[in-house]
Amino acid sequence: AAGVIQSPRHLIKEKRETATLKCYPIPRHDTVYWYQQGPGQDPQFLISFYEKMQSDKGSIPDRFSAQQFSDYHSELNMSSLELGDSALYFCASSLGGPGEGETQYFGPGTRLLVL
Amino acid sequence: GNSVTQMEGPVTLSEEAFLTINCTYTATGYPSLFWYVQYPGEGLQLLLKATKADDKGSNKGFEATYRKETTSFHLEKGSVQVSDSAVYFCALSDLYNQGGKLIFGQGTELSVKP
Repeated sequence: AAGVIQSPRHLIKEKRETATLKCYPIPRHDTVYWYQQGPGQDPQFLISFYEKMQSDKGSIPDRFSAQQFSDYHSELNMSSLELGDSALYFCASSLGGPGEGETQYFGPGTRLLVL
Repeated sequence: GNSVTQMEGPVTLSEEAFLTINCTYTATGYPSLFWYVQYPGEGLQLLLKATKADDKGSNKGFEATYRKETTSFHLEKGSVQVSDSAVYFCALSDLYNQGGKLIFGQGTELSVKP
């Protein structure tokens, strides 16, 4: 079965640079969630989209922005990168809007290292 | 606000030992509860879930029962294998109060020795 695809899998950037992370949800899934997992930490919710509209926002810095496109893939744009942004970024997808009770399926993550 | 608390790790067991990882939660509504597993270098995989009180989720020999009276969702397995070594995350989703986002516990690292 098709899973959630994230690209790139690994990314190395310098401080103050920008990065774009991409997420391709499971086919037919219309809801995307982004999470950030720091080293040895639990995943923290960043932002979610349903039917191309932002549905919820968590602890996402103002330097980050995200959107969901017409084909339901999503991109997380990160600017003015800081050392503390180094983390594993997960995308998860589900069918039906937030609150519909559908299980979230996670991608393999993008490991971002900021030097 | 909503939160999840797990027992601290790492937990080290011998193969075929009984496993319990405690998880308790705080929620204002009626959350769904999940256990996710993360193998080294990999993403999060759903292990099991329960959507209402007294439901039991089970998968691959693991099981957990949604206990509303004790606000708990402890993970158990009767006989662990070396391949079960991973980090286990308990999570909740408070569908009606906080949308569908998952709130995770801090994770419990399990190491199973042959």
